Amino acid sequence: AQKITQTQPGMFVQEKEAVTLDCTYDTSDQSYGLFWYKQPSSGEMIFLIYQGSYDEQNATEGRYSLNFQKARKSANLVISASQLGDSAMYFCAMRGNSGYSTLTFGKGTMLLVSP
Amino acid sequence: EPEVTQTPSHQVTQMGQEVILRCVPISNHLYFYWYRQILGQKVEFLVSFYNNEISEKSEIFDDQFSVERPDGSNFTLKIRSTKLEDSAMYFCASSPRRTETDTQYFGPGTRLTVL
Repeated sequence: AQKITQTQPGMFVQEKEAVTLDCTYDTSDQSYGLFWYKQPSSGEMIFLIYQGSYDEQNATEGRYSLNFQKARKSANLVISASQLGDSAMYFCAMRGNSGYSTLTFGKGTMLLVSP
Repeated sequence: EPEVTQTPSHQVTQMGQEVILRCVPISNHLYFYWYRQILGQKVEFLVSFYNNEISEKSEIFDDQFSVERPDGSNFTLKIRSTKLEDSAMYFCASSPRRTETDTQYFGPGTRLTVL
């Protein structure tokens, strides 16, 4: 079974600053993928970035990067140069190779970007 | 860019009524999923579907739920006799494969309200 923990219910950041959203995970799978999704107030789930457990480099996707520390079982999302449109709920999720294809989600972090 | 679509965006129904939520996955994807998100809570897996049959399902996916791929493009979730607690956002997702490295792409969701 997989478990995702997001300890920050809410985060505030000023426009143009960087922000880190925390995510820790627990799994017994040897191979797994970690994902971040953004959910704006309109409700859709938007895929942001992916990190594989065997990837040696941290994933980057534009202003998003994933700070992957395997030994600590953490996969923090870093958003650089925050924009007002980044205000949303952010979910960390994972899936493993133990036969289940499902995504396990954390409870999410609400990010508010202020001008 | 290909995307998952869902209809309707909102559905209001009376308790005990049947509802069918519709999804069109990304065309070259082989695996399809339904998730739900009760207001303010995390996203929960319901069911995955491949090759015209259910691959996995969660304990939430009881006999009141069923899924179908009636033609080559649509993927549906039916709730036979809705309960108040079925009120949630329902997300359809699809992925090209079922490995832990494959991203699941989500549709915009259907907000179901049971009165």
